[in-house]
Amino acid sequence: AQKVTQAQTEISVVEKEDVTLDCVYETRDTTYYLFWYKQPPSGELVFLIRRNSFDEQNEISGRYSWNFQKSTSSFNFTITASQVVDSAVYFCALSESGNYGGSQGNLIFGKGTKLSVKP
Amino acid sequence: EPEVTQTPSHQVTQMGQEVILRCVPISNHLYFYWYRQILGQKVEFLVSFYNNEISEKSEIFDDQFSVERPDGSNFTLKIRSTKLEDSAMYFCASRGQSEGEQYFGPGTRLTVT
Repeated sequence: AQKVTQAQTEISVVEKEDVTLDCVYETRDTTYYLFWYKQPPSGELVFLIRRNSFDEQNEISGRYSWNFQKSTSSFNFTITASQVVDSAVYFCALSESGNYGGSQGNLIFGKGTKLSVKP
Repeated sequence: EPEVTQTPSHQVTQMGQEVILRCVPISNHLYFYWYRQILGQKVEFLVSFYNNEISEKSEIFDDQFSVERPDGSNFTLKIRSTKLEDSAMYFCASRGQSEGEQYFGPGTRLTVT
């Protein structure tokens, strides 16, 4: 079973539209971390956010916002007023504490969502 | 701003050859990782390294793979006898604290022909 599921393979929007990228995770650990990374066409992985399992407060950073809901094991990412430069593959990732035999510290990535923002 | 560097950016090798991918993590970081990404697929964990030894490895990291931190600054991934299916982007990452985020290098694209 996948530990991180990004059900949306590809999303295409027109510039200035809002878009939400979904992420659902699975873990038995009570302490874990969730991440979002951006991979632009150039290929590098750009860190966007880290959230620990005890902090369910939503976060906003400019046009980006994240909605963490433990009740549904989701950590969704919204881009407001999308721009062409937002076109990239976005990966959600999980890092477990290893309390229940899971991985310790390494990142478990979802399959990614390819976002295309058209002008 | 400190960053993780990787060399070479692109390596082409013939099947059966040995390759060494090099990484220079951020200088005060303690945890080091290798990941790989086959073209168009997700990023997969290979191995983690802490205190001069492997702390965890995935099923992908078989006997053909090894890692080393030879001089306190470089962190290398060696593939002893490359196969076609080893063709991928290999990312190095490092982390400072036990709960900090991982910083990724730009990757080395390995092409096995």
